Amino acid sequence: SQKIEQNSEALNIQEGKTATLTCNYTNYSPAYLQWYRQDPGRGPVFLLLIRENEKEKRKERLKVTFDTTLKQSLFHITASQPADSATYLCALVAGGGADGLTFGKGTHLIIQP
Amino acid sequence: DVKVTQSSRYLVKRTGEKVFLECVQDMDHENMFWYRQDPGLGLRLIYFSYDVKMKEKGDIPEGYSVSREKKERFSLILESASTNQTSMYLCASSPHWGQGLEQYFGPGTRLTVT
Repeated sequence: SQKIEQNSEALNIQEGKTATLTCNYTNYSPAYLQWYRQDPGRGPVFLLLIRENEKEKRKERLKVTFDTTLKQSLFHITASQPADSATYLCALVAGGGADGLTFGKGTHLIIQP
Repeated sequence: DVKVTQSSRYLVKRTGEKVFLECVQDMDHENMFWYRQDPGLGLRLIYFSYDVKMKEKGDIPEGYSVSREKKERFSLILESASTNQTSMYLCASSPHWGQGLEQYFGPGTRLTVT
């Protein structure tokens, strides 16, 4: 069956370090992979999208990689700050059309001062 | 900025009641979605719509229906609310395919069915 896995345990990182979050998937051939941030009691907010033919995407302190051979995406936050503390969700789009996203359960990131 | 609004932040209903959750987006997006989010289960797609009067079932449509009479408005209907429908409900919209597939979410409605 199709599965998206994110580390369910909270990730504690010291301020200023690079936080790296992992998203693994099985039985998908996604055309796109997206990352969202969610704060408690709020809806997810889109961060980055990466296509299957792209290896890496950057936006300010954020970097996403996409390895379709390993079936894995890595999400990096460099020079992390306490304000980066949130839950980060990866989501897959399997193909074209208007299909809804399939989300991982998210990783809770805590940046400690 | 894209804005997606939902009619209520918190809602308490009784078992058996008919419940309407409303969602409005102001960016002329073709696609609209309803998800529910539960601890340990994550976000799950209930229904989506890619055009007015069109609807498609998501992963968990049982017990729900939807209505899209106008492009900007997508309603989720619980025909007869049950306690297992207590959840956070999130609406989202996205532009037509080919223009980017990022989704814009509303603030959510926390529904409690007693």
